[in-house]
Amino acid sequence: DTAVSQTPKYLVTQMGNDKSIKCEQNLGHDTMYWYKQDSKKFLKIMFSYNNKELIINETVPNRFSPKSPDKAHLNLHINSLELGDSAVYFCASSPPYFQGARVYYGYTFGSGTRLTVV
Amino acid sequence: GENVEQHPSTLSVQEGDSAVIKCTYSDSASNYFPWYKQELGKRPQLIIDIRSNVGEKKDQRIAVTLNKTAKHFSLHITETQPEDSAVYFCAASGGGKLTFGQGTILTVHP
Repeated sequence: DTAVSQTPKYLVTQMGNDKSIKCEQNLGHDTMYWYKQDSKKFLKIMFSYNNKELIINETVPNRFSPKSPDKAHLNLHINSLELGDSAVYFCASSPPYFQGARVYYGYTFGSGTRLTVV
Repeated sequence: GENVEQHPSTLSVQEGDSAVIKCTYSDSASNYFPWYKQELGKRPQLIIDIRSNVGEKKDQRIAVTLNKTAKHFSLHITETQPEDSAVYFCAASGGGKLTFGQGTILTVHP
């Protein structure tokens, strides 16, 4: 009964390949995110979607393309993988930023996808 | 944009001692400050949060304090146990994305 699920959990691939990571949430949240966690454990936002619409696009290479077919799914496609793309990628979701009296909520993270580019 | 600084980067304590992790933020519009715990190989999990209209919040052995004037907030863990060993992240948000601190590796020695 996982709230935010990502697949695959591990991904090992060669440089130059194209790969996708899938994320699904069953919490009814409107907003979903992709975060990258590097080898030093730093969590950096990549993208955010609110109800299928892109609302945050940080400085991320064009090789990374998110897609949200509906508000419960946010996938990440990466073209022409490079060694520096090796990291753990976390999907997360949260309720809307504004609910009634502008209350904000924390994220629920997926279990992560460890991407290794060789 | 928001910038969150977290200290210390590593913290080692004996079981039963207290641990304090401190964060500062730059954007005065930020009004939501969660703390996450990430065990090795696991996802970050929300352990406590505080909103800007509150100065302190406590949940059993964990407490968080917020000083909006100074733009800093802290996590306090009392009576630490070995299972508290993990990476702890603070974060700040003014609406939309969370900006995370760099993380603190807490090690609790039995």
